[in-house]
Amino acid sequence: GESVGLHLPTLSVQEGDNSIINCAYSNSASDYFIWYKQESGKGPQFIIDIRSNMDKRQGQRVTVLLNKTVKHLSLQIAATQPGDSAVYFCEEKPGGSYIPTFGRGTSLIVHP
Amino acid sequence: DAGVIQSPRHEVTEMGQEVTLRCKPISGHNSLFWYRQTMMRGLELLIYFNNNVPIDDSGMPEDRFSAKMPNASFSTLKIQPSEPRDSAVYFCASSFGQGATGELFFGEGSRLTVL
Repeated sequence: GESVGLHLPTLSVQEGDNSIINCAYSNSASDYFIWYKQESGKGPQFIIDIRSNMDKRQGQRVTVLLNKTVKHLSLQIAATQPGDSAVYFCEEKPGGSYIPTFGRGTSLIVHP
Repeated sequence: DAGVIQSPRHEVTEMGQEVTLRCKPISGHNSLFWYRQTMMRGLELLIYFNNNVPIDDSGMPEDRFSAKMPNASFSTLKIQPSEPRDSAVYFCASSFGQGATGELFFGEGSRLTVL
């Protein structure tokens, strides 16, 4: 997993496995969270978002879980594919003001 | 449908030279962000514009850095004079809404190498 502002961890998985990427956010006033995927040589791209009034949101092969009690966010990727190899960032948005804060990112490596 | 367009994609320059990075946000977006990405520091927000007005420039490292947004479709980030420690990938991102409550759309980045 990763914490905002710390080292870049790496998660290695086999193709077909499920992946879980973690993010510990810092601001208890944050009410909106986004996961981004950054492939090599490209800019980050939106994957999925979740608001603080929810604790789970599902997309296609991805699920985001939010635990506000411990300020923890996770991204679950089902049946991980080689194309999922990238760096994944979480962004938190505090309500009332806007300073976007990104974590350092987690590098996901999918082995075929 | 064009996304955020940045230029140049790659720039190699010598210490002391002026560097200008350019960004064209997505049409209709009213918030624009400049980020710097390095392995050591990750993604750092340099400056944020809303409706062409700089709202937060607290991330701009020092006076050598300046950013402008003369109109809704163009922004520049200038470094003068450049130093080797400025070497990084610089991203521009845009979004719609006051305070960018939605997702950010990033460009492909400008990779700067200062020798």
